[in-house]
Amino acid sequence: QLQLQESGPGLLRPSETLSLTCTVSAGSISGDSYYWGWIRQPPGKGLEWIGSIDYHGNTYYNSSLRSRVTMSVDTSQNQYSVKLKSVTAADTAVYYCARHFLRHSGYYEDAFDIWGQGTMVTVSS
Amino acid sequence: QSVLTQPPSASGTPGQGVTISCSGGRYNLGSNYVYWYQKLPGTAPKLLIQRNDQPRSGVPDRFSGSKSGTSASLAISGLRSEDEAEYYCAAWDDSVSGVVFGGGTKLTVL
Repeated sequence: QLQLQESGPGLLRPSETLSLTCTVSAGSISGDSYYWGWIRQPPGKGLEWIGSIDYHGNTYYNSSLRSRVTMSVDTSQNQYSVKLKSVTAADTAVYYCARHFLRHSGYYEDAFDIWGQGTMVTVSS
Repeated sequence: QSVLTQPPSASGTPGQGVTISCSGGRYNLGSNYVYWYQKLPGTAPKLLIQRNDQPRSGVPDRFSGSKSGTSASLAISGLRSEDEAEYYCAAWDDSVSGVVFGGGTKLTVL
C-alpha cells in the first residue's frame, strides 16, 4: 500500500522559507495520471490546496500562493518538496502531502486519494 | 472566503439522515467533477465520494453524492456517532487551473 510521509521543521520565524519534503514509499512517484500535491489546514480553518507536481516537474499552483511557492520532485529519491518563502503567522497550519489523481477527459478528474499523516508548521517570532 | 460554498455546520441524531450542500460556479462544479472528503479530528482527510456520485471502495453505502449543474450534495443516511467529522467538497476550477475546496461542514451527531 502506497504511503506518504511529510518531513521538515515544525517551527519557523516570520520571513523565513518553509521547506517540506514528502517521501513516497511502497510505490513509485513516476506514474502517468498522477500528480503529487500539498494541502494545508490552518488551525480552526478549512483545507487549502497549495499546489501539485508530476514526476516530469510540471506544476500547478494555487494562484493566491503562486508568488511564494516552488515545488520540485526527485524521482531518484521518490520524493517531492515544497518551498514557501516569506512566511507569516498566517502560514501556520498542518501541511499534508497527498497523491493527486489528475486527468482531463472532457471533465477534469482530480482526487487526492492517498494522504500523508500531516505535519504541523508554526510560524512565530 | 471559499470558492465552493458549504454550510458551516450540520447535525442529526443517530439513525437519521443528513444532507450537506456544496455550491459553486460554471468553471468548477459546472464544468468538472466534485469530490467529497471526510476529516476526522487529528487525522488526514479521507476521500469519500469521487466523480460526483461514486463512493470510494470501502466507504459505507450510507454515503452518497450527487451533482446538478453548479450544485452538489453529500447525503449520509443512518447516522452513526463515528460520522461526526468535517466534510469538504472539492473540484478543479478551470478559471484558475487549480483545485478549490469548500469551507467545510462540521457534522455533529447529537
